[in-house]
Amino acid sequence: GAGVSQSPRYKVAKRGQDVALRCDPISGHVSLFWYQQALGQGPEFLTYFQNEAQLDKSGLPSDRFFAERPEGSVSTLKIQRTQQEDSAVYLCASSLVPWGGRSHNEQFFGPGTRLTVL
Amino acid sequence: AQKVTQAQTEISVVEKEDVTLDCVYETRDTTYYLFWYKQPPSGELVFLIRRNSFDEQNEISGRYSWNFQKSTSSFNFTITASQVVDSAVYFCALSEETSGSRLTFGEGTQLTVNP
Repeated sequence: GAGVSQSPRYKVAKRGQDVALRCDPISGHVSLFWYQQALGQGPEFLTYFQNEAQLDKSGLPSDRFFAERPEGSVSTLKIQRTQQEDSAVYLCASSLVPWGGRSHNEQFFGPGTRLTVL
Repeated sequence: AQKVTQAQTEISVVEKEDVTLDCVYETRDTTYYLFWYKQPPSGELVFLIRRNSFDEQNEISGRYSWNFQKSTSSFNFTITASQVVDSAVYFCALSEETSGSRLTFGEGTQLTVNP
């Protein structure tokens, strides 16, 4: 079966440009997560969806970051007016069941999108 | 607030040596979950293990073993008879029952296994 896929794998943007990063989770997975991984650092949580509902967006660094999952499957992370500090790898992960409480199952990660803002 | 510390930034060993990767965590919750992930050069994080706070039994899976000690807030990972294919960045991570969906990662340990 297919794993989590992300596109594009690499994106170069000029400062001030808007970008959209796509995530295709594993089919049937209820939970979807976005993380930001700066060079040499661990992933940092951005946001969490349970089906189409965005239940936690506490990790989004600014209002320039926006994520959606309108039909409860594919998700898009949009960054408006990109800045150099947005340069990072953006990782998407999915999990079979809802996350939280006493349900903290394995998250399956995609290969990431490496964003470089010039 | 939850926090994970991986004090070893880089470790280099020769093939067949045993190596232990350290992980220390901080949490106020009594129920929490600890994870180890492997990130090879391809970039995709690979799940290795999940541990619940109420289960301190150590685990062995092939050449991999994990030592969970609540008394020292540590969850260390040992690779026995290391192989070149074990070269990767290894991340320890923590989630709490009360922190909703947040999974907090340490900064990772770069393991290089030389032939």
